[in-house]
Amino acid sequence: SQELEQSPQSLIVQEGKNLTINCTSSKTLYGLYWYKQKYGEGLIFLMMLQKGGEEKSHEKITAKLDEKKQQSSLHITASQPSHAGIYLCGAEYNFNKFYFGSGTKLNVKP
Amino acid sequence: GAVVSQHPSRVICKSGTSVKIECRSLDFQATTMFWYRQFPKQSLMLMATSNEGSKATYEQGVEKDKFLINHASLTLSTLTVTSAHPEDSSFYICSAGAPTDTQYFGPGTRLTVL
Repeated sequence: SQELEQSPQSLIVQEGKNLTINCTSSKTLYGLYWYKQKYGEGLIFLMMLQKGGEEKSHEKITAKLDEKKQQSSLHITASQPSHAGIYLCGAEYNFNKFYFGSGTKLNVKP
Repeated sequence: GAVVSQHPSRVICKSGTSVKIECRSLDFQATTMFWYRQFPKQSLMLMATSNEGSKATYEQGVEKDKFLINHASLTLSTLTVTSAHPEDSSFYICSAGAPTDTQYFGPGTRLTVL
């Protein structure tokens, strides 16, 4: 969607390397969500960020939301083949509007 | 990009009635469709996966008799909320795509049960 720009579109990294995926909004967000999708399966919720400057971590995945609440990054440390999939950011602007980024396809080479 | 539509975008109904939500892929054939539900301030929750021509697979905790899913064609899936109650009020989103391709999301349907 035009409201959310996600980059890069695809990423191939060597196992063990770190990587970052970005999600930028044209407007201030109410809430920012990160999801992972494995091919052929539904979305898996990773994290939700709501406060400016907020940072959350789960295992080797860290997500941050900037102070202005318009940009978020998802960082994976020491990537593994199990991290492969499509990463999607989603944003809520008000009660009735929810938008998704275009997704980032991640491949991790063993 | 591929377009997925949902109808209606917003619906208000009385408690005890049934509501049908349609999800259509407008310019591609979708062998798989997913139905999600979102509560305010919370993440999307996957409800079920439907494959064209076969029964839907429901996630744990989702009542299949209450949330009827039909994926009768490659461009249409429907979600029927039967005997709706106020706690069913939510934002329902569908996504459509080929099994090994990116999912394309519909704009969502806001259901309010009075």
